[in-house]
Amino acid sequence: GAVVSQHPSRVICKSGTSVKIECRSLDFQATTMFWYRQFPKQSLMLMATSNEGSKATYEQGVEKDKFLINHASLTLSTLTVTSAHPEDSSFYICSARTRDLTYEQYFGPGTRLTVT
Amino acid sequence: AQKVTQAQTEISVVEKEDVTLDCVYETRDTTYYLFWYKQPPSGELVFLIRRNSFDEQNEISGRYSWNFQKSTSSFNFTITASQVVDSAVYFCALSEADAAGNKLTFGGGTRVLVKP
Repeated sequence: GAVVSQHPSRVICKSGTSVKIECRSLDFQATTMFWYRQFPKQSLMLMATSNEGSKATYEQGVEKDKFLINHASLTLSTLTVTSAHPEDSSFYICSARTRDLTYEQYFGPGTRLTVT
Repeated sequence: AQKVTQAQTEISVVEKEDVTLDCVYETRDTTYYLFWYKQPPSGELVFLIRRNSFDEQNEISGRYSWNFQKSTSSFNFTITASQVVDSAVYFCALSEADAAGNKLTFGGGTRVLVKP
């Protein structure tokens, strides 16, 4: 149980275009989803926290107009990287938390974005 | 603010050797959760253990063991009789039990290379 999927697993886009990444909780309802970014050989950095039906909370230094997050249902959150640039190339990982209070997050497999 | 430090950036061992990964954390909360994750080359995070701040018992799971010491704010991880498949990046993480989504703060990670 507690499976989180991400789509696509890899994406290559041209500079200036937008790309959408989906994060789905397959067998549970996720009241909260988190988006992380991981640059090569670095740790995971939290970008934003999204709660179903409300606006996402962004971490300091993350541009909310550039990284659009939508959490429209209890099983789906999307991250749209708008006007992508090569410096946005990274590994994007989502995680989902259940309604209970175990404080455990279930991670998706990640999406590798390359902007050319 | 919470902080996790993994002082070892990379450890190289020969198969069957034991390897211990250090993790030191900082938090002002009395209730918090500590985690260890494994990230193999595929990129997907693999959950290894969760420990709450009130449970200082050490834990053993197969070749893995964890030593939690609140007095030194450390949560160290030992792999006994390492195998090549243990080669990965290991992250220690901390979550404070507040109402703001229980954000995870990751350490910088320790890359473990097990040579045959």
